[in-house]
Amino acid sequence: DGGITQSPKYLFRKEGQNVTLSCEQNLNHDAMYWYRQDPGQGLRLIYYSQIVNDFQKGDIAEGYSVSREKKESFPLTVTSAQKNPTAFYLCASSMDRDSPTGTEAFFGQGTRLTVV
Amino acid sequence: AQKITQTQPGMFVQEKEAVTLDCTYDTSDPSYGLFWYKQPSSGEMIFLIYQGSYDQQNATEGRYSLNFQKARKSANLVISASQLGDSAMYFCAMQRAGNMLTFGGGTRLMVKP
Repeated sequence: DGGITQSPKYLFRKEGQNVTLSCEQNLNHDAMYWYRQDPGQGLRLIYYSQIVNDFQKGDIAEGYSVSREKKESFPLTVTSAQKNPTAFYLCASSMDRDSPTGTEAFFGQGTRLTVV
Repeated sequence: AQKITQTQPGMFVQEKEAVTLDCTYDTSDPSYGLFWYKQPSSGEMIFLIYQGSYDQQNATEGRYSLNFQKARKSANLVISASQLGDSAMYFCAMQRAGNMLTFGGGTRLMVKP
């Protein structure tokens, strides 16, 4: 089945450590996104990528880094510079940037990151 | 800048009744899109319905319909014949350039048997 796979589902990190969240899609989508969700709140955009080997900062990129070496994969690294990393992280993908308005984004199941 | 406001943190509805979830937005773009997503307790985001700013008709998808009032900048979601499985968080979102989304704070809907 086509979809987006995020792993792991739960992740625990010690303060000062970098961790990488995985996101893989087999929908042949060009665009991929990372969102952060804090309890009781909506999603906020961290990074996005419209094409392989290119990505842009979103609204809350500080303390995060990404790569886009393959079309299918868009891993997110939460660095030690992120002061409050405990949150729910959602990866999404959508059709190419030239697709008409209205193309919905498909989301993964999310990764819940906790700093211990 | 775009902004989405959902003023109802939580809503109760009786099973089989209809419910309206409010969403207002602010944008200076002449062309935009509005989405509603459902987030069950498991966490994934499920697409429900889409409305384009130039669409003449209000969008409908099964039991979901969107009450789009462009002049008032509102895009309320109407769920008819509520079911227990409709209990979830509901998010209104606006599409911006590059298919990125700006989300509202969400409304938690609880369906009572």
